Amino acid sequence: DAGITQSPRHKVTETGTPVTLRCHQTENHRYMYWYRQDPGHGLRLIHYSYGVKDTDKGEVSDGYSVSRSKTEDFLLTLESATSSQTSVYFCAISESITGQAGELFFGEGSRLTVL
Amino acid sequence: GQQLNQSPQSMFIQEGEDVSMNCTSSSIFNTWLWYKQEPGEGPVLLIALYKAGELTSNGRLTAQFGITRKDSFLNISASIPSDVGIYFCAGFRGGNQGGKLIFGQGTELSVKP
Repeated sequence: DAGITQSPRHKVTETGTPVTLRCHQTENHRYMYWYRQDPGHGLRLIHYSYGVKDTDKGEVSDGYSVSRSKTEDFLLTLESATSSQTSVYFCAISESITGQAGELFFGEGSRLTVL
Repeated sequence: GQQLNQSPQSMFIQEGEDVSMNCTSSSIFNTWLWYKQEPGEGPVLLIALYKAGELTSNGRLTAQFGITRKDSFLNISASIPSDVGIYFCAGFRGGNQGGKLIFGQGTELSVKP
């Protein structure tokens, strides 16, 4: 199994509070991603990183920010959580854009509930 | 934005039956992938397809990359109870900054023993 750890695994918070989810990898992979999973929508890309301090937006980036100060850590921050951000969040990593293109390894997910 | 339409959304089948699901897109992709997600876990890669027309098998699973590069299908033969889960198709188009993997909505498979 790929060495990916997400924390926290479960969190309940209130509307308007800040939330940070952490993804930690031990594989030294270059690319890291944050997805959210909601019924009927599958997995939707929030943000991704293609190197330390290099990030870009995905399809549902509004209300989220990310940071990657080290190869192994990718943080997802909700500055002011809303109920629409209640979801299961998955971190994923990949090694290379060529050859193994698109082959992501996923973490176990972080379930966030915003009341 | 880019969208993948995956069908069916759910399937209830008897053990031993064959299963077929597909994914279509309005955009061309360079790579098609199929993932399986079991309850409480993240998705796990089943099959990756890199070339239009490619047909690839992994045990009882067979997947094809459509000639138009806008579709793919996954077949599971002789289903067993452990095939239960959500199956996702995903399309990938590389870019200078790594590209993005776009997922379908998923097909939830239930297998009755």
